[in-house]
Amino acid sequence: DTEVTQTPKHLVMGMTNKKSLKCEQHMGHRAMYWYKQKAKKPPELMFVYSYEKLSINESVPSRFSPECPNSSLLNLHLHALQPEDSALYLCASSQVQGADNEQFFGPGTRLTVL
Amino acid sequence: AQSVTQLGSHVSVSEGALVLLRCNYSSSVPPYLFWYVQYPNQGLQLLLKYTTGATLVKGINGFEAEFKKSETSFHLTKPSAHMSDAAEYFCAVISTDKLIFGTGTRLQVFP
Repeated sequence: DTEVTQTPKHLVMGMTNKKSLKCEQHMGHRAMYWYKQKAKKPPELMFVYSYEKLSINESVPSRFSPECPNSSLLNLHLHALQPEDSALYLCASSQVQGADNEQFFGPGTRLTVL
Repeated sequence: AQSVTQLGSHVSVSEGALVLLRCNYSSSVPPYLFWYVQYPNQGLQLLLKYTTGATLVKGINGFEAEFKKSETSFHLTKPSAHMSDAAEYFCAVISTDKLIFGTGTRLQVFP
């Protein structure tokens, strides 16, 4: 199984809502990533987990809260988002962090904040 | 920090024509370089990667790229474009354990 799955595919939320994005992989990878991608732009790294510990936080606002409950699962909790947070959120995983390790990407969750 | 520059935000070719997408890197040490493709409303898929060894790298879907240290380039080519190649292509480099993407090149293929 070389697949990264993400749920939901689409999410519409108000600025006062709390929601969560979910990412799962069963490739035995020990590094997992969250990226944000705005239209016609490259993905921007948000968070990296390495061996279930937060390794990199790219100065992301606290309204985004990542969680890695186990080595296969990565969540992104959303609270009090702004309309400018509307974007495609991509999850990725790799065998370990960095070096020449290929990152496998999920299909993304398209988030709209009203 | 290492970075990549993609020349040309849009490239248009006819079906059957050569595809050439340009990527230049800035690095003082041998870089790890990648090409990813993103089809509309989908995630990214790895086409190929360069780590060490052979400078001509073959990837999926008939794509290949050549690492040229003297030109600090890693251009992506395909001899004959298919309509299904229409997508966004990103060159990327590993820098301080992070994957840094170029700005992307949108490939259009005309019949």
